[in-house]
Amino acid sequence: DAGVIQSPRHEVTEMGQEVTLRCKPISGHDYLFWYRQTMMRGLELLIYFNNNVPIDDSGMPEDRFSAKMPNASFSTLKIQPSEPRDSAVYFCASSSQVIRGYTFGSGTRLTVV
Amino acid sequence: KQEVTQIPAALSVPEGENLVLNCSFTDSAIYNLQWFRQDPGKGLTSLLLIQSSQREQTSGRLNASLDKSSGRSTLYIAASQPGDSATYLCAATAIQGAQKLVFGQGTRLTINP
Repeated sequence: DAGVIQSPRHEVTEMGQEVTLRCKPISGHDYLFWYRQTMMRGLELLIYFNNNVPIDDSGMPEDRFSAKMPNASFSTLKIQPSEPRDSAVYFCASSSQVIRGYTFGSGTRLTVV
Repeated sequence: KQEVTQIPAALSVPEGENLVLNCSFTDSAIYNLQWFRQDPGKGLTSLLLIQSSQREQTSGRLNASLDKSSGRSTLYIAASQPGDSATYLCAATAIQGAQKLVFGQGTRLTINP
């Protein structure tokens, strides 16, 4: 199993540009989570899906953030327009059942200049 | 709302020592508690997962315990090595919280040769 795959690994963009982060969960996992990690706030849950349906997006900071999961093997997190304060590492994680724990991807390090 | 706290924030010990990292959580109604390791600039690696019905889990030199009644978990590392240097994160999945994994801020561990 290749694990949770995220792309790109690094992204540098200018303020105001649209940014799209991608995630491929582990096959067979029906939960998918997007987290953001910063020095100040640690790891924060942004949104999670169950069977491709968004369940809780209360952690999404603003309307500039949106996430989709068009099928069981792919999810995107989009920021439009991006701002310097969005600079962080964004992690995707998946799980087959909550009781079995989570597997995280390697993350996307986003820098908005 | 589940809150997870890790103490200390940083720990530095000489190689060969046994050590304990602490994690506390406010809501004892949890599915499980998971310990992760994060190396600088890297993703999260799952170390141990303790189900709510279990008291401890062991993997090699690592042993994690769980005491739900007191809202505490500990990660014991035996015979520490410089390669154990990393940030250790604990995370709890509260039953009332809809599958969300809530993280502590982590303990940054340095093992000195």
